Amino acid sequence: AQTVTQSQPEMSVQEAETVTLSCTYDTSESDYYLFWYKQPPSRQMILVIRQEAYKQQNATENRFSVNFQKAAKSFSLKISDSQLGDAAMYFCAETSYDKVIFGPGTSLSVIP
Amino acid sequence: DTEVTQTPKHLVMGMTNKKSLKCEQHMGHRAMYWYKQKAKKPPELMFVYSYEKLSINESVPSRFSPECPNSSLLNLHLHALQPEDSALYLCASSQLDTRGQPQHFGDGTRLSIL
Repeated sequence: AQTVTQSQPEMSVQEAETVTLSCTYDTSESDYYLFWYKQPPSRQMILVIRQEAYKQQNATENRFSVNFQKAAKSFSLKISDSQLGDAAMYFCAETSYDKVIFGPGTSLSVIP
Repeated sequence: DTEVTQTPKHLVMGMTNKKSLKCEQHMGHRAMYWYKQKAKKPPELMFVYSYEKLSINESVPSRFSPECPNSSLLNLHLHALQPEDSALYLCASSQLDTRGQPQHFGDGTRLSIL
């Protein structure tokens, strides 16, 4: 069975600093995709970044980057130059076919 | 901008009422999803429609009845709900022609059962 684990229920970061959110997953599929989604309080869930498992190169989107370690089944998210608007729940997710498996989430606070 | 539109944004209903949640997208996505989400928890998948046909039902109680009238619309009909059904209900859509496409979420309907 597919599982996604996020071991940090809550984290905080000083504004302008860097923070890394952890995620590990378990799947028997050889072809799969990994995502980080962001859900601000009372706002829409949006995609932050996407990684194809067959690509060795780590995905980046502006201040957001991932450290994808396929052998270790690890997919961490690094947020650089943190901003107040980065405060949100962050969900790591994995999909092979039509179902997305979400991790339990990490609540990120940004301290001014 | 929200590309997946959900109505209503808030709904309060009694346990004997019948109501419907609506979801609309015009991105040409052929997969649509209903999720239930409790506070500070991940979304829980309820139903998946692929090409307007129900492809996944995650053992959801029959008091929730999904409907997909066409490729742009998704409804969730509610009847005789229980207080534990109070939650945020999220609709999402995604492409089907290419694997691993991300889901686009609506803002959700916050449902309260009295």
